[in-house]
Amino acid sequence: SQQGEEDPQALSIQEGENATMNCSYKTSINNLQWYRQNSGRGLVHLILIRSNEREKHSGRLRVTLDTSKKSSSLLITASRAADTASYFCATDASSTLGRLYFGRGTQLTVWP
Amino acid sequence: DGGITQSPKYLFRKEGQNVTLSCEQNLNHDAMYWYRQDPGQGLRLIYYSQIVNDFQKGDIAEGYSVSREKKESFPLTVTSAQKNPTAFYLCASSNQAGIYEQYFGPGTRLTVT
Repeated sequence: SQQGEEDPQALSIQEGENATMNCSYKTSINNLQWYRQNSGRGLVHLILIRSNEREKHSGRLRVTLDTSKKSSSLLITASRAADTASYFCATDASSTLGRLYFGRGTQLTVWP
Repeated sequence: DGGITQSPKYLFRKEGQNVTLSCEQNLNHDAMYWYRQDPGQGLRLIYYSQIVNDFQKGDIAEGYSVSREKKESFPLTVTSAQKNPTAFYLCASSNQAGIYEQYFGPGTRLTVT
């Protein structure tokens, strides 16, 4: 399966600390995306990184992509309690156009 | 307001009944998707449609059916053939399938007893 896998499954930190989540995938991709989901809600798109990009920033978010290792990381700096949510990576697949493959997510808890 | 809506938010059905979940978008997006999410799990793709009057099976299409008669609408029917229909169902749309970000609705929580 192309499905991405996030690591760790759960992460618990204090406000102000940085949170790092990782995603690994199996086949060639065109782009990789990160989404956030608050409990019981729909997903919200955070950032998209293309296969020819190595790093991308958006506010307190930093995403890296290493296509040789088929992995990506999402760094949230100076975490806040409001960042508590599940975070999912999603990849397309060069061989299967038209859809995304989602991982199982990392549950992030930020304690005040 | 542009967005994607799903109704109802909560739905209860008896086993053996078919049920249709609504998904509407006014973002003028070509592609629409249906996902199923079980507790603590990721999203599994049920069906997707890249254009009106066309749709493809995802990874878990058995027991589900869809139609795409209008660009704005992509209803999902959960049939009695679906063995474990109780789940959280999410609809999404995107400007172009697989290339751009997906916009998600708020979800419908279906409980079948």
